[in-house]
Order: sequence, then structure tokens, then C-alpha cells
Amino acid sequence: KAGVTQTPRYLIKTRGQQVTLSCSPISGHRSVSWYQQTPGQGLQFLFEYFSETQRNKGNFPGRFSGRQFSNSRSEMNVSTLELGDSALYLCASSSSSGLAGLYEQFFGPGTRLTVL
Amino acid sequence: AQSVTQLDSQVPVFEEAPVELRCNYSSSVSVYLFWYVQYPNQGLQLLLKYLSGSTLVKGINGFEAEFNKSQTSFHLRKPSVHISDTAEYFCAVSGTGGSYIPTFGRGTSLIVHP
Repeated sequence: KAGVTQTPRYLIKTRGQQVTLSCSPISGHRSVSWYQQTPGQGLQFLFEYFSETQRNKGNFPGRFSGRQFSNSRSEMNVSTLELGDSALYLCASSSSSGLAGLYEQFFGPGTRLTVL
Repeated sequence: AQSVTQLDSQVPVFEEAPVELRCNYSSSVSVYLFWYVQYPNQGLQLLLKYLSGSTLVKGINGFEAEFNKSQTSFHLRKPSVHISDTAEYFCAVSGTGGSYIPTFGRGTSLIVHP
């Protein structure tokens, strides 16, 4: 099976702009989660989507949003970018089937966002 | 809610030496525990997981971890490391029966010297 793919791998934006990141989960996986990774804060959970519905949400401002399509692909959007949004954004998928499937996450390589 | 503490931010070790990366957690409910590895410019890869059963869990690449409920620990060990084990290692915890979204530790950078 192909792994989780994320596009683009690298992005450079300026403050005030908006950005959309894309994630394609492993075939058959219906749950997609997004994380922000920074040296200062580590890995922080943004939100999780399952069957096109947001199922869990982390503690991030409303500038961060996401959606999931019927084929389980997901996008996240950050509006009005700030310098502090510079981070590695990781997407993870899980099958949500059975105990291991619910808890085990498969990560993509991430999108490195730099805000200037 | 759960929290994870990885006691060492960086662990330097020589090749072929044993290594232990420490992880302690805090939770008011029963937990499931995970170790992930992140190589440079890559995402996280699951090394091993404890969901139930034997408290000694074996994972990929020769790693193992032991769940100690009384000490709320889940330390990762390898008897002999290779240069290729140089990476960032993350301990994660999920509460059972509630949100399955994991809480991650801050990571331990394992640096293997020749």
C-alpha cells in the first residue's frame, strides 16, 4: 500500500497570506489527523476528520481549519499567516477499525511551512 | 487528560552500545502507549505499541519497551545501536475509552557516534 502523502513538501509564504495543505491517507483509512510540529512546542494536535466530519479538535485559533472529502483526502487551511505559524505540518491517517486501527497512526512526511 | 515526560532531550551513545530512552506519563485513566521515530526530513514512524497483554513489547529495528504501571513508565531500549538509529524518538500516550488522539512527549534526540 502507498503511504500517506502530503503536498506540497515545502512552502514559503509571507505574513497575512493564507495557505492550503493537502493530505492523502493510506487507501482504506477514513481518519485523518493534523499536527503542528515546532522546536518550541513539539507536536501539537490540530484536528481530526472522519467520514468528512471533524471528530476532534485541538486548541488552535479559528485561523486553522480543515476539511475532508468523500475519498478521505484532507486539506487544512491557515488564514492570515503569522510568523509563529512556521512549522512542520504533519498529517496522519488511521483505519479506525479495531483497537489497533483506532489508536495507531501512520504519518506522512510533512509540509514545511515558512512564514516570512 | 494525559501528559508525557521524556526525561532526556538528547542522548549521545557510541555505536554498538546499549541505550535506554526514558518516558514517564501521567493519566487519570488506563492508557495505551507508543514510541515513534522520526528521521530527518521525514514523518513519524511507529516503533512499537502497548495496548494490552505482555508488558514487554518488541518493536521494529530491534527496539523494545517495558510498560511499568506502578512507575508510570514506558522506557525504550535497544541492546546495541547502529549509526542508522540516529533520529528523534517520541513517546506518546492515549487514554483508553475516551479520546484516542495521542499526547506526545517533547522527543529525545538519539545521537549515535562511530
